Amino acid sequence: GAVVSQHPSRVICKSGTSVKIECRSLDFQATTMFWYRQFPKQSLMLMATSNEGSKATYEQGVEKDKFLINHASLTLSTLTVTSAHPEDSSFYICSATRGEGGFTEAFFGQGTRLTVV
Amino acid sequence: DAKTTQPNSMESNEEEPVHLPCNHSTISGTDYIHWYRQLPSQGPEYVIHGLTSNVNNRMASLAIAEDRKSSTLILHRATLRDAAVYYCILRDVNNQGGKLIFGQGTELSVKP
Repeated sequence: GAVVSQHPSRVICKSGTSVKIECRSLDFQATTMFWYRQFPKQSLMLMATSNEGSKATYEQGVEKDKFLINHASLTLSTLTVTSAHPEDSSFYICSATRGEGGFTEAFFGQGTRLTVV
Repeated sequence: DAKTTQPNSMESNEEEPVHLPCNHSTISGTDYIHWYRQLPSQGPEYVIHGLTSNVNNRMASLAIAEDRKSSTLILHRATLRDAAVYYCILRDVNNQGGKLIFGQGTELSVKP
């Protein structure tokens, strides 16, 4: 079964509204989660690192006031796209890493396809 | 993390082996070679990783050049479900829990 669950898988919203995307680690605790964005036919672009109990770290060029990240527990991080515009339409993916015996594997959510109309 | 170079796309026939190359000439001694793949409209999934020796698992094999400047992901018998974008990523052993930086990857298409 899925190790990292993302919800919703698909959302359509009106321009100017806000949308919240949830990312949960199902059977392990994740002090750090990562948020990516992917446009059609392009690779994943890292947006930010979500840190449990502290502020997120944003990549250069990503507006922290537009993409609000909250990591209130060890199993849940949320990404809120505020005042969404059509150019924010994209595929948003979260990930968390789980380590065992010196190797850490990254697990990814199934992604959220956001369409802003 | 060091950069990797992969062909943009490759084609394969169903039930034939596929060799997906990756160049990483600036790899450091502490970099692991990771492969992830992304099926259409899904998040990426782990495929395999290695450091120096060749590796096998239920999904694939990883052949690493002796100088570690290149590697090849081998799918022994491609199926239609293997059609995906394959990403080769270097990850420092001291940054195991850190972020993954994705390159462009190789889009593999599998013909019946």
